[in-house]
Amino acid sequence: DVVMTQSPLSLSVTLGQPASISCTSSQSLLYSDGTTHLYWFQQRPGQSPRRLIYKVSNRDSGVPDRFSGSGSGTDFTLKISRVEAEDVGVYYCMQGTHWPETFGQGTKLEIK
Amino acid sequence: QVQLVQSGAEVKKPGSSVKVSCKVSGGNFSSFAFSWVRQAPGQGLEWMGGIIPFFGSANSAQKFQDRVTLTADKSKNTVYMEMSSLTSEDTAVYYCARGGGVVWGQGTLVIVSS
Repeated sequence: DVVMTQSPLSLSVTLGQPASISCTSSQSLLYSDGTTHLYWFQQRPGQSPRRLIYKVSNRDSGVPDRFSGSGSGTDFTLKISRVEAEDVGVYYCMQGTHWPETFGQGTKLEIK
Repeated sequence: QVQLVQSGAEVKKPGSSVKVSCKVSGGNFSSFAFSWVRQAPGQGLEWMGGIIPFFGSANSAQKFQDRVTLTADKSKNTVYMEMSSLTSEDTAVYYCARGGGVVWGQGTLVIVSS
């Protein structure tokens, strides 16, 4: 199985400051058709996960533009340009290129 | 707008089985793929398997292959996850999600306790 490794596992950020989460896969996530199935999810306390980013860098509908995704191959990053209070929660990367789909361990974001 | 509504919480005895349902509304059920993901208390997300109702094909992660059955009832726009031989380690919230995780159900808490 493809192992997804996130860092850091916890993040304490001052309101209005940027945040960045790294996700590294044990194999390239580039699919044979040229797409890369790397997703980012946010899980607020007590809620179901919510997808923020699909195929590396595409924001889902309703996701604030302060969230952005980048990367290729095995190295990916989620960035929040200015952290807001509502961003508190756990962030997961997930790969869907290789079967079975696998998640990173999660990165807990809190406000300093 | 596609919505996924899951069945309610369950309390089960060790060794028994549980069947969780996920009713899909607001979209073309048969054209979607669905995944099942679980989350043990205080832990991360774990992908269990997926099903494509149109093809009737389902695949479970190797860890679950012997105990998990994924099915779909196109007449009810509903997908199901059945897990057998439950142990306390199966205590978790079980989520269904549309393929790629674009939409998630509200989760179903399954508690396995004697």
